[in-house]
Amino acid sequence: DTAVSQTPKYLVTQMGNDKSIKCEQNLGHDTMYWYKQDSKKFLKIMFSYNNKELIINETVPNRFSPKSPDKAHLNLHINSLELGDSAVYFCASSRGRGAIAGELFFGEGSRLTVL
Amino acid sequence: AQSVTQPDIHITVSEGASLELRCNYSYGATPYLFWYVQSPGQGLQLLLKYFSGDTLVQGIKGFEAEFKRSQSSFNLRKPSVHWSDAAEYFCAVGAREYGNKLVFGAGTILRVKS
Repeated sequence: DTAVSQTPKYLVTQMGNDKSIKCEQNLGHDTMYWYKQDSKKFLKIMFSYNNKELIINETVPNRFSPKSPDKAHLNLHINSLELGDSAVYFCASSRGRGAIAGELFFGEGSRLTVL
Repeated sequence: AQSVTQPDIHITVSEGASLELRCNYSYGATPYLFWYVQSPGQGLQLLLKYFSGDTLVQGIKGFEAEFKRSQSSFNLRKPSVHWSDAAEYFCAVGAREYGNKLVFGAGTILRVKS
């Protein structure tokens, strides 16, 4: 079983569309994250949830809305997609409240291409 | 602001040769330090981490890293590289004083030639 799984793995869409990426972890972790990896491979945190509570909300356009229905799931919805949203989005999870507490477990990434 | 620098974008080494990947950080606090590896099309996997104690830490796949506070560095090393080590390596730093966030370096791509 995949520990952190994301769907879809690839997403190609037009500017202005709305899309969602889903993430599920079966590790029993309390905290989940969304990271964005741009074309230069910079990996930057976007959001983090701990037991369904938003604990990190970086400077991200409000077109991006995370949602955590339970502690095993963290979804990312993006409205009005723009060219600059093209990137690989990684979901991750960790035990405890923060990334510094230990190991982040990453999903395989969802590559979003906006045309 | 906190920052992590990996000076080398690409490094090529021969199989069996030793490896050192550099990481420097700028933090006004006691750092927690990590190295992650990303194989093509995969997510990141933790190689090793340093929180406190012995400044030389051992990780998986034969990697080790040394924390040098005076140089603000946390370089990753491996005595003998295998072709399967070809991947991208990311250094990451966090600190309790800056919340529960990791800041990642830009990565170093390792190529292994046979």
